[in-house]
Amino acid sequence: KQEVTQIPAALSVPEGENLVLNCSFTDSAIYNLQWFRQDPGKGLTSLLLIQSSQREQTSGRLNASLDKSSGRSTLYIAASQPGDSATYLCAVNDYKLSFGAGTTVTVRA
Amino acid sequence: DVKVTQSSRYLVKRTGEKVFLECVQDMDHENMFWYRQDPGLGLRLIYFSYDVKMKEKGDIPEGYSVSREKKERFSLILESASTNQTSMYLCASKSGSGYEQYFGPGTRLTVT
Repeated sequence: KQEVTQIPAALSVPEGENLVLNCSFTDSAIYNLQWFRQDPGKGLTSLLLIQSSQREQTSGRLNASLDKSSGRSTLYIAASQPGDSATYLCAVNDYKLSFGAGTTVTVRA
Repeated sequence: DVKVTQSSRYLVKRTGEKVFLECVQDMDHENMFWYRQDPGLGLRLIYFSYDVKMKEKGDIPEGYSVSREKKERFSLILESASTNQTSMYLCASKSGSGYEQYFGPGTRLTVT
């Protein structure tokens, strides 16, 4: 059974600092990995999807890397802004999505 | 843009009531999913459907059933609501050939 872990559970940084969010998974036989953002009381917004054959994916200030052999993915957010405050979830797709519990980010102005 | 809508943002029901949660997607996606989200437990898959009238159990199907009579609509049914079903319920859809799941805004259900 796939287990997905996100550390840390919460993170608080001053505006402008770069964010590094970690995701680890136990079974490397995956199709892809997806990063989501969730604002309080809202649904999930897809940020990036990395296929198992890819090493990284970029969108604007966001960059996600994938090391399938070690069972790790990292989401980097450059030059954080208060609007980046949210919970970030990673989900691993083997034949279904398995989610981590998320990292709650607070960016202080 | 893909749009996934859920019938209610907030719902309060009494123990023992039959509860229907509705999800509609407008992108002709084959696959639809129901999750619940609880603090510390993350999202857990309840049921999914890969075609009309087809359904598969997820990780926590007990106490729930689903219905998919039309491609765009996927309903989650709580036959007899209990307090431990108080949760945030999220619906998602995905095309048969695609990789990304698209989520609705969620329904916060409280069972008293």
